Amino acid sequence: NAGVTQTPKFRILKIGQSMTLQCAQDMNHNYMYWYRQDPGMGLKLIYYSVGAGITDKGEVPNGYNVSRSTTEDFPLRLELAAPSQTSVYFCATSSWTSGYTFGSGTRLTVV
Amino acid sequence: ELKVEQNPLFLSMQEGKNYTIYCNYSTTSDRLYWYRQDPGKSLESLFVLLSNGAVKQEGRLMASLDTKARLSTLHITAAVHDLSATYFCAVDMSRSGGSNYKLTFGKGTLLTVNP
Repeated sequence: NAGVTQTPKFRILKIGQSMTLQCAQDMNHNYMYWYRQDPGMGLKLIYYSVGAGITDKGEVPNGYNVSRSTTEDFPLRLELAAPSQTSVYFCATSSWTSGYTFGSGTRLTVV
Repeated sequence: ELKVEQNPLFLSMQEGKNYTIYCNYSTTSDRLYWYRQDPGKSLESLFVLLSNGAVKQEGRLMASLDTKARLSTLHITAAVHDLSATYFCAVDMSRSGGSNYKLTFGKGTLLTVNP
């Protein structure tokens, strides 16, 4: 039982490049989230999804896109990467009974 | 908009001492979480507080919740070096009926326990 799996764990992008951060869960949770963590700033919500086909913006959505075609997967797309997107990205799932489960994170550097 | 404020943001303690981290939040919420994060690692769930007056303890850590004051505390008793980490509180904006919604985090408290 893997829980929440994020790939890749590390990535270096050049300014203007694009990439997709992958998040997969095997917990059958409807709710999934993408957070970014910057030093000293806690975690901020980028996008979330309440089920397949339904997504919504969080606090800091600019520069990102998401899709949710299945319950298991919630990829985060970065278009035209900028240095301000250098951060650690966490995917999470939740249910009322089991609370929140976080992935191990993706450390992204944009140079 | 929900705001979650933690203080202090930095805490340097001596081993054996006691201290408290405070978490204030701005609107009504159903659940409050405390997490621990070690450098370069993900978040580890410590406590979930569900109702007013809730108190939970695990080892040297004790968390409490006062929903009327919109305040949670994380109390550290007789600190040891292994407790050095960043501690986050997070508030769940749950809809009525028990549906989870999303977590809003405080900025975190970097705790350093010195010998």
